[in-house]
Amino acid sequence: RKEVEQDPGPFNVPEGATVAFNCTYSNSASQSFFWYRQDCRKEPKLLMSVYSSGNEDGRFTAQLNRASQYISLLIRDSKLSDSATYLCVVNLNNNNDMRFGAGTRLTVKP
Amino acid sequence: GAGVSQSPSNKVTEKGKDVELRCDPISGHTALYWYRQRLGQGLEFLIYFQGNSAPDKSGLPSDRFSAERTGESVSTLTIQRTQQEDSAVYLCASSLGEGAFTEAFFGQGTRLTVV
Repeated sequence: RKEVEQDPGPFNVPEGATVAFNCTYSNSASQSFFWYRQDCRKEPKLLMSVYSSGNEDGRFTAQLNRASQYISLLIRDSKLSDSATYLCVVNLNNNNDMRFGAGTRLTVKP
Repeated sequence: GAGVSQSPSNKVTEKGKDVELRCDPISGHTALYWYRQRLGQGLEFLIYFQGNSAPDKSGLPSDRFSAERTGESVSTLTIQRTQQEDSAVYLCASSLGEGAFTEAFFGQGTRLTVV
């Protein structure tokens, strides 16, 4: 089983739609999780950390389900500028040994 | 301030040649990561350095790949006897390495093409 798994997509949604991505991880001892965003031919950049209680940043909501070992990212009111690849990241051993999922590609269309 | 710097930005090499890729992390960052990203694919973990601890080399795909880091400074990734399947963007990232929610900052990558 891969350390971090994501549905590669692509997700094609209209502007204004709500879209959700899930990511599963294999190491039950992992304590910290992140979502990164990667634009085409650019380097990944941090979108948001994922806290145990769940957290929200504007239109973006991240949640953690430890029992099922998955994290999710919800994007409300999608914008054209949200088109990118979203990477799930798990801090493998709580020693900043970070592993990335393969990413989920999102395209928001007019 | 300065971000993570990688050089060269592009490298074209002939099959069978050795290449060396360089990463200058953000000053003060103890953790350094190398990833490989093939065209249209996700990030593939290669190696992780944390301070003076032994590096996690579990992602290196073969013994043709090696990486070094001197202290908490520059790292070099060396690929010997390059093959066409080594063509990819090689991304380096660094982080403070302290605390569980430390952000990793990426360089812009080295695009390697093996012909």
